[in-house]
Amino acid sequence: QKEVEQDPGPLSVPEGAIVSLNCTYSNSAFQYFMWYRQYSRKGPELLMYTYSSGNKEDGRFTAQVDKSSKYISLFIRDSQPSDSATYLCAMSGASGTYKYIFGTGTRLKVLA
Amino acid sequence: EADIYQTPRYLVIGTGKKITLECSQTMGHDKMYWYQQDPGMELHLIHYSYGVNSTEKGDLSSESTVSRIRTEHFPLTLESARPSHTSQYLCASTEGVTYTGELFFGEGSRLTVL
Repeated sequence: QKEVEQDPGPLSVPEGAIVSLNCTYSNSAFQYFMWYRQYSRKGPELLMYTYSSGNKEDGRFTAQVDKSSKYISLFIRDSQPSDSATYLCAMSGASGTYKYIFGTGTRLKVLA
Repeated sequence: EADIYQTPRYLVIGTGKKITLECSQTMGHDKMYWYQQDPGMELHLIHYSYGVNSTEKGDLSSESTVSRIRTEHFPLTLESARPSHTSQYLCASTEGVTYTGELFFGEGSRLTVL
């Protein structure tokens, strides 16, 4: 079983839609939860960063972490064509290491 | 924008050739990583380093080797490339004072072995 599961999509939505991206994980020791955005032919860039459970909001983006369910989400409000990218969840902080575990990424396309 | 650079961005070579993928960062980060990324697959950690003269193999078995002689430089070498090495290779670094920190990525090196 993979440590992190993420629906690969692709996901196509109309401009202005609310997008929900999700990951589940199996290692309860993870403490840090991240969402990266990766445009085609580019490296991933950090979008949201959350420590432990709770919500974090940054503009149109909201990250949620539910450690009891081992489930994290990223919501994108008023989605724009420029949001079209692959979104990767990532986790770290287990076993006192500096290792980051990534999901497969969900490819999102926002249609104008 | 992250100050981490990878060269070459694209490389097409024949089987059996030796190649080195370069990675440099100007942020003074101690921790550096190499990931392999294939379409539809998660990023797989193949090597990491927590400082000069410190290198470890990652979770994904790889025939590549790395070195860390200077803080800013973390090259990856394949002694004899094979078609199975065709992939995207991503270099990353973090300050990571606590257990973790923002991981900065380079733009990747896309390797094709014929």
